[in-house]
Amino acid sequence: TQLLEQSPQFLSIQEGENLTVYCNSSSVFSSLQWYRQEPGEGPVLLVTVVTGGEVKKLKRLTFQFGDARKDSSLHITAAQPGDTGLYLCAGESSSASKIIFGSGTRLSIRP
Amino acid sequence: GAVVSQHPSWVICKSGTSVKIECRSLDFQATTMFWYRQFPKQSLMLMATSNEGSKATYEQGVEKDKFLINHASLTLSTLTVTSAHPEDSSFYICSAIRGSEGYTFGSGTRLTVV
Repeated sequence: TQLLEQSPQFLSIQEGENLTVYCNSSSVFSSLQWYRQEPGEGPVLLVTVVTGGEVKKLKRLTFQFGDARKDSSLHITAAQPGDTGLYLCAGESSSASKIIFGSGTRLSIRP
Repeated sequence: GAVVSQHPSWVICKSGTSVKIECRSLDFQATTMFWYRQFPKQSLMLMATSNEGSKATYEQGVEKDKFLINHASLTLSTLTVTSAHPEDSSFYICSAIRGSEGYTFGSGTRLTVV
């Protein structure tokens, strides 16, 4: 069973601070995605990374895929209250066309 | 972009009854759809993979006789929770793959069994 562990589980920081969320597994993934989910809604895709060592930027968000394609990180610069939400990583294995979600990181940004 | 629609968005049912949730791909055909369950404060857990024209593939620990999945067309998959009990109360989410756009998720169905 593939497991994706995210850390931290919860994070509450002040507006303007930086933060990093980690997504780790012992399994290799063909691709890894990051989603953000608001209460009562489905997750919305932020980014997909497919190449080991790949770095993608989305405004103040920076995503990195580990060299071995087993882990990933999400870094947010100058966090804003609008960044509040549940952040989920999800991995897709090369042997099965399905994605498995990480344990989630609940982020709260205080004004 | 690709849109996946779920219906209903919320439902309340009595214990022992069955509830059907629909998942539609609105602007594309989806041979494969996925059903997830999400309990409060938790992540999404994959329940099953729905395959058009064939049997669904269930994840370990998910009762196939309790969670009936039908994928009769390329744009519709349904999940029926049979003989629902309060512990089945959860947020059910479907998703589908649309080519290079990857996985698109529905807006979810909140089921409350009383």
